[in-house]
Amino acid sequence: SQKIEQNSEALNIQEGKTATLTCNYTNYSPAYLQWYRQDPGRGPVFLLLIRENEKEKRKERLKVTFDTTLKQSLFHITASQPADSATYLCALAHGSGNTGKLIFGQGTTLQVKP
Amino acid sequence: EAGVAQSPRYKIIEKRQSVAFWCNPISGHATLYWYQQILGQGPKLLIQFQNNGVVDDSQLPKDRFSAERLKGVDSTLKIQPAKLEDSAVYLCASSLIRTLPTDTQYFGPGTRLTVL
Repeated sequence: SQKIEQNSEALNIQEGKTATLTCNYTNYSPAYLQWYRQDPGRGPVFLLLIRENEKEKRKERLKVTFDTTLKQSLFHITASQPADSATYLCALAHGSGNTGKLIFGQGTTLQVKP
Repeated sequence: EAGVAQSPRYKIIEKRQSVAFWCNPISGHATLYWYQQILGQGPKLLIQFQNNGVVDDSQLPKDRFSAERLKGVDSTLKIQPAKLEDSAVYLCASSLIRTLPTDTQYFGPGTRLTVL
């Protein structure tokens, strides 16, 4: 069956360290993958998109990798800050063209301690 | 630029009652989505509109859920009758066009529904 798995346990790290979040999937062949941030009581906010032919994408302190052989994406936040504390969701673009849709993982909660 | 607006923000009803949620997307956005997010899970797509036409409602429980998008702008999602398992946050999102995956989805704050 098709599955998207993110770390179900919260990730607690110290301010200034690098946070690494994992998104694994099975029985999908996504052409694209997106990462979103969700704060309590709010809707998800788009952060980054990476295509299957891109190994790595960066935006300021954020870095995303996409390994279609391992069926895994890693999301890194360098020099983490308490303001980075939130739930991070990965989403696969499943299907093609106008029939495609986003399938979300369950999210990983990140807590950055000062 | 104003974001996606949703109302109400919170709703508590008893099982077998009806409820309706409203969404106003970002101006000019052709595509509108309704998602259900159960506590501890990621959002699950219920229905997707392109202008005022439905392009994907494969995961919408059609025996109790309905949605419409009149005039290709605002949308309402209705549950009738509600069940306990419908307790969740209902998120509305919009995007400018529908060429996944490069098109960014913008989410509203959601409506938290509690069914007692």
